[in-house]
Amino acid sequence: NAGVMQNPRHLVRRRGQEARLRCSPMKGHSHVYWYRQLPEEGLKFMVYLQKENIIDESGMPKERFSAEFPKEGPSILRIQQVVRGDSAAYFCASSPLLQGSATGELFFGEGSRLTVL
Amino acid sequence: AQSVTQLGSHVSVSEGALVLLRCNYSSSVPPYLFWYVQYPNQGLQLLLKYTTGATLVKGINGFEAEFKKSETSFHLTKPSAHMSDAAEYFCAVSGEIGAQKLVFGQGTRLTINP
Repeated sequence: NAGVMQNPRHLVRRRGQEARLRCSPMKGHSHVYWYRQLPEEGLKFMVYLQKENIIDESGMPKERFSAEFPKEGPSILRIQQVVRGDSAAYFCASSPLLQGSATGELFFGEGSRLTVL
Repeated sequence: AQSVTQLGSHVSVSEGALVLLRCNYSSSVPPYLFWYVQYPNQGLQLLLKYTTGATLVKGINGFEAEFKKSETSFHLTKPSAHMSDAAEYFCAVSGEIGAQKLVFGQGTRLTINP
């Protein structure tokens, strides 16, 4: 039973390039969350998605960042025109459909580490 | 809205000693509380969680935490530290049923001295 799969694990981009990070949730999970972890800091919420629907994007920067979770395929976090401040670890997490109960637990992937030169 | 404060960004204990990592939360609704552990270059792994019921919760690797509503705390403890416990520990809170967004503390790096 595979866990949350993220790729690439490491990504190097030059300033101005685009970064695409992919996340496949655990089997049976329909909720995906993206978090960013800057060096020496905790995790900051970015966006919460269900299939074909963004539920909460209150943590997403207003420009250059976008996320999607299509009907088929993985969730993608896209960063356009990257800058050095985008260098961070980006974690994806998933959770199952709630079905009237909620425990709040999230299952995390191993992260994608973006380095902007 | 929820928030989490972890007291002490770095904690160092000797092998075999008590581990105590402090977490205080703020929540306008009854909270769900979590402790996650992160080993270097890895993702987060759930240690334990409090949702409802018994306020003393036991987790993996001998860790436990006690929910104290009057103190708005959820401190993590382990009676005897092991070298393998060296990692980053994050406390998190969620308070909205149906929306599982977690708010994390800034983390506490635990170092174990031989």
